[in-house]
Amino acid sequence: KNQVEQSPQSLIILEGKNCTLQCNYTVSPFSNLRWYKQDTGRGPVSLTIMTFSENTKSNGRYTATLDADTKQSSLHITASQLSDSASYICVVRGSTLGRLYFGRGTQLTVWP
Amino acid sequence: DAMVIQNPRYQVTQFGKPVTLSCSQTLNHNVMYWYQQKSSQAPKLLFHYYDKDFNNEADTPDNFQSRRPNTSFCFLDIRSPGLGDAAMYLCATSSSRGSSTEAFFGQGTRLTVV
Repeated sequence: KNQVEQSPQSLIILEGKNCTLQCNYTVSPFSNLRWYKQDTGRGPVSLTIMTFSENTKSNGRYTATLDADTKQSSLHITASQLSDSASYICVVRGSTLGRLYFGRGTQLTVWP
Repeated sequence: DAMVIQNPRYQVTQFGKPVTLSCSQTLNHNVMYWYQQKSSQAPKLLFHYYDKDFNNEADTPDNFQSRRPNTSFCFLDIRSPGLGDAAMYLCATSSSRGSSTEAFFGQGTRLTVV
């Protein structure tokens, strides 16, 4: 069964600190993996997208890694800001019909 | 400019009264998705269109229907909304051409059933 598992389910950190979110998947065949940020009441917004051959990709303070062999990805956020408080969702795209598989998300709260 | 537009942003409907949510896109993407997202849960795929081909998820209730009259527009019809159908409904698009094409989401429609 194609699945995407994220951890932790929720996380609270202080402003300025770093954190790492995890995503494990079993989707096969695999096309790409995306990390999305979803603010409350809004649609998801893409942070990074990684294909099979990419190991690391950065977007400002966000750095995503992908190990296609172990089917694991991480999203590292450096120097967190209050505006980083949101749900971070890992989405894997399968090669068959381009179907998207969602993780349940990690709810990140940044405290001042 | 917004590329995936959902209307309305907020919809209140009565129990059992049919409601239609709309989604339009300017990306010319051939794949469009409808997701249901309840509070603190991941989006759940209801169905998607691959070009004109409609793909229904096995556990999507018959109460939910969809129409895609052309590439740019897609509609979600809820024939008889129940209280359990209150949720955020997200529309997304992507292209099946190319392995790294991103999926774009609309802002969602928040449906309240009273």
